[in-house]
Amino acid sequence: GAGVSQSPSNKVTEKGKDVELRCDPISGHTALYWYRQSLGQGLEFLIYFQGNSAPDKSGLPSDRFSAERTGGSVSTLTIQRTQQEDSAVYLCASSLAGLAGAGEQYFGPGTRLTVT
Amino acid sequence: AQTVTQSQPEMSVQEAETVTLSCTYDTSENNYYLFWYKQPPSRQMILVIRQEAYKQQNATENRFSVNFQKAAKSFSLKISDSQLGDTAMYFCAFMKAASGTYKYIFGTGTRLKVLA
Repeated sequence: GAGVSQSPSNKVTEKGKDVELRCDPISGHTALYWYRQSLGQGLEFLIYFQGNSAPDKSGLPSDRFSAERTGGSVSTLTIQRTQQEDSAVYLCASSLAGLAGAGEQYFGPGTRLTVT
Repeated sequence: AQTVTQSQPEMSVQEAETVTLSCTYDTSENNYYLFWYKQPPSRQMILVIRQEAYKQQNATENRFSVNFQKAAKSFSLKISDSQLGDTAMYFCAFMKAASGTYKYIFGTGTRLKVLA
């Protein structure tokens, strides 16, 4: 089956504009994660969806960042009024519920966001 | 709060040699998972190896093995017979195995270069 897909692969936007990043998880995976990876840095946790539970938003850096997951599948990460420091690669990952998959995350290829 | 530390930002190894990447973590939990993920230059992250904390035996996957020292909170990755395709960023990750939340904490990564 298909892996995790993300779109667009690259996005260049002007400072102050809003952007939407999309993630299609693996079918049947109830957990979905968003991370931010700045150049040469590790993965910064942003938000985590698990089934129908309220998402864990504890990693969102500001109220300009939001995410939703419709129908327990596709997720959209929205960044409003983008700033240059938002430039990074945004990675999405999905996994089976709880420990069913022994914790393995499957990552998408990422969206490289550049704010000019 | 859990933390994961990778103290080697960059390493290099000659092809066919063995290299060890270090990872330490801090947690008060007793039940958790540890992972090594690999991110090649093409950027898609994949799982290399995982270790359940309750298992004393070190995990092994072909040329990849770990040295898990629970008391010392150390989780190093050994790559034997290094190959050019092992060139990548390697991330150590921690996941608490408690019901209801499966959030990962990643280290900052080690960039490994395998030299011909």
